Amino acid sequence: GEDVEQSLFLSVREGDSSVINCTYTDSSSTYLYWYKQEPGAGLQLLTYIFSNMDMKQDQRLTVLLNKKDKHLSLRIADTQTGDSAIYFCAGGPSGTYKYIFGTGTRLKVLA
Amino acid sequence: NAGVMQNPRHLVRRRGQEARLRCSPMKGHSHVYWYRQLPEEGLKFMVYLQKENIIDESGMPKERFSAEFPKEGPSILRIQQVVRGDSAAYFCASSDQEYNEQFFGPGTRLTVL
Repeated sequence: GEDVEQSLFLSVREGDSSVINCTYTDSSSTYLYWYKQEPGAGLQLLTYIFSNMDMKQDQRLTVLLNKKDKHLSLRIADTQTGDSAIYFCAGGPSGTYKYIFGTGTRLKVLA
Repeated sequence: NAGVMQNPRHLVRRRGQEARLRCSPMKGHSHVYWYRQLPEEGLKFMVYLQKENIIDESGMPKERFSAEFPKEGPSILRIQQVVRGDSAAYFCASSDQEYNEQFFGPGTRLTVL
């Protein structure tokens, strides 16, 4: 089955860029998602990328997909304290509804 | 347009009791998915239901767990004789079609004492 890995923690200073990384084993995912989970809250879809794309930009967010290395990253420009949360990458394998989630990266933004 | 609703948001049960978690999908959505998030882990798929049908329960523990999505009313995830290892956040998601984007609810945090 598919496995999705993320580093557990990331700490950045306010105003800097954050880069959250994700690696996956199964390349059949049609969509790759980034979700944000604030303390005690549910999952908020931040952005997603189709597997046939290399990059997607959405305001402060940039998603990069390296299919050869099976590596996905989320860059947050000008990181703010409100960005402190857990970020999950998830894959939506083709032909299935079972989203596969990474373990989540806890982002802490220092003022 | 209300999103996916889950209740209760927090549930505390003693070992051996039953837990009932409810999920109301988004308006117009007839596909419901339940996921479990154990502490310090990502979400894991449990079950996929359509109205009155369980489509895929491959992620459900074999015993004590059951799910339903009746013709009327919310989807229910039921855990009988809870144990401490059942303590987790349980998320529900819904979609309008089987492989379309899933929208997640706020989750129910179950604590078993």
